[in-house]
Amino acid sequence: DAGVIQSPRHEVTEMGQEVTLRCKPISGHNSLFWYRQTMMRGLELLIYFNNNVPIDDSGMPEDRFSAKMPNASFSTLKIQPSEPRDSAVYFCASKSGTGGDGYTFGSGTRLTVV
Amino acid sequence: DQQVKQNSPSLSVQEGRISILNCDYTNSMFDYFLWYKKYPAEGPTFLISISSIKDKNEDGRFTVFLNKSAKHLSLHIVPSQPGDSAVYFCAASDRDDKIIFGKGTRLHILP
Repeated sequence: DAGVIQSPRHEVTEMGQEVTLRCKPISGHNSLFWYRQTMMRGLELLIYFNNNVPIDDSGMPEDRFSAKMPNASFSTLKIQPSEPRDSAVYFCASKSGTGGDGYTFGSGTRLTVV
Repeated sequence: DQQVKQNSPSLSVQEGRISILNCDYTNSMFDYFLWYKKYPAEGPTFLISISSIKDKNEDGRFTVFLNKSAKHLSLHIVPSQPGDSAVYFCAASDRDDKIIFGKGTRLHILP
């Protein structure tokens, strides 16, 4: 099992550009989560999907952020247009079943917007 | 408003001694609590968890204690080892699937 795979590992982009982060969850996991880590806020939940359906997007900071899960093996988080304050590490995680079992996280994408 | 709070940004402990990481929460609906460990340039990894119906869960050198009346939990690591140096996140979930994380505590194990 390759675990949760995120790409790219690092992304540097100019303010105003569109950024797309990608995630491949563990096969068989039916829930997928996008988190953002910053020094000020720690790990914030942005959005999560259950069986490819968005369940809770209340953590998405602004309309500039959008996420999709077109199938069980792929999800994207898009920021358009990007701003310097979006600079952070973005993590994707997946889990199977319901309840409080722990997630499996990917290695993250470090985004820098200059 | 943070529902899961880790008030100590960092903690230094001598190798071989006990490390105690603390966490407070505000939401009484949380029914499951977890600790994650994170090394630089890696994603957080699940360490140990506890259900709200228990007050203690032990796994090797790691023990989590839950005090529901105080809305407080702690992670004990004994004995502490150099490889334990990492950022530790406290987290909680309710019947929903989502997990809410604290800001983390950076643990330094001193030689």
